Amino acid sequence: GNSVTQMEGPVTLSEEAFLTINCTYTATGYPSLFWYVQYPGEGLQLLLKATKADDKGSNKGFEATYRKETTSFHLEKGSVQVSDSAVYFCALSVLNDMRFGAGTRLTVKP
Amino acid sequence: KAGVTQTPRYLIKTRGQQVTLSCSPISGHRSVSWYQQTPGQGLQFLFEYFSETQRNKGNFPGRFSGRQFSNSRSEMNVSTLELGDSALYLCASSTGQTMNTEAFFGQGTRLTVV
Repeated sequence: GNSVTQMEGPVTLSEEAFLTINCTYTATGYPSLFWYVQYPGEGLQLLLKATKADDKGSNKGFEATYRKETTSFHLEKGSVQVSDSAVYFCALSVLNDMRFGAGTRLTVKP
Repeated sequence: KAGVTQTPRYLIKTRGQQVTLSCSPISGHRSVSWYQQTPGQGLQFLFEYFSETQRNKGNFPGRFSGRQFSNSRSEMNVSTLELGDSALYLCASSTGQTMNTEAFFGQGTRLTVV
């Protein structure tokens, strides 16, 4: 079946630190991959996406590259800010089946 | 373009009651999916509707049901509420017409069962 496994949190970083949140997937077919972010009290917002192998999605300083050979889509940011504190979800969509990872809570301290 | 709208934002219900939640998708979107989010279980898929038909279903008991209207608005109903049904219920809409479409989420309805 289709599934997403992402790094368990919580993750606590100091401002300006480098962020990596690991995400791997299993899918039947050729999925599109997404990272969503959820701020406190809000729904999920699409952060970035990639639709084919070797595509790099990027937004607000975050990046993730679709690696078909390792079935991964790791989220990275070179220098996090306090305002990046949120829960991050990795997700895939294939044949109208959308699956989410368990979410990783990120806290950035000043 | 208006986003996904969920009503109400907050609900408090008593165990044994039933509840109906509403979701208005983005204009032109024909697919609506529902998710339950709890601290312990994360984001769990309930069901998806496309053009008034349930297309996918998660592993939830029959107390959880939904429907979609001809204008793509969707409702989900939970009957005989249990304390464990307390959660944030999220609705997501998409075009549903391409194979690997992205979803746009509403702000959710926070249900508390007492």
